[in-house]
Amino acid sequence: EVQLVESGGGLVQPGRSLRLSCAASGFTFDDYAMHWVRQAPGKGLEWVSGISWNSGSTGYADSVKGRFTISRDNAKNSLYLQMNSLRAEDTALYYCAKDMSWGSGDAFDIWGQGTMVTVSS
Amino acid sequence: QSVLTQPPSASGTPGQRVTISCSGSSSNIGSNYVYWYQQLPGTAPKLLIYRNNQRPSGVPDRFSGSKSGTSASLAISGLRSEDEADYYCAAWDDSRGVFGGGTKLTVL
Repeated sequence: EVQLVESGGGLVQPGRSLRLSCAASGFTFDDYAMHWVRQAPGKGLEWVSGISWNSGSTGYADSVKGRFTISRDNAKNSLYLQMNSLRAEDTALYYCAKDMSWGSGDAFDIWGQGTMVTVSS
Repeated sequence: QSVLTQPPSASGTPGQRVTISCSGSSSNIGSNYVYWYQQLPGTAPKLLIYRNNQRPSGVPDRFSGSKSGTSASLAISGLRSEDEADYYCAAWDDSRGVFGGGTKLTVL
């Protein structure tokens, strides 16, 4: 079964850091680009970051550029998001999503169930 | 303020045909594919349409997508109660993903 399982979310104070993980199974992980997409409570979807199959290319939304870092470990079938200098506006459900292609820039055809990040003092 | 513009709500009765619009610009919809996602209440989004008008395996042919210039639309024919959900259009813009604000579809 094709599956993405996120973990690492929680309650964190403004200015602190958090690292999200996404464990992939049921497909050849290193054949595809991967992404993080977030959804603030009661709001719409926002693309956060993406990474190509071999980590050769990464991209970030302006709202997180310079604070968040995406990475992957193909040997562990895992995707990560290091989030630093967290702000209240980063509070959201963070989804891991698989790209249909290797290069990053196609549809998100598989989604995890998300991990909630709450930034509050 | 979302990069892609969708109506916040839409509605229809069972059996009807409903369309949801998505407006963008030359840097996103005008030069890249459009995607549509369906998000049922309390669940993760699901890919509904990719590359403007392609349906993933398992998506009923009641759902169709089209694109013209810098706009796109999602059509749902034979509306069913289980189609009640939020629908998001998406595209790539200078290698960054952009979404519409979402359209809440109500089946009356």
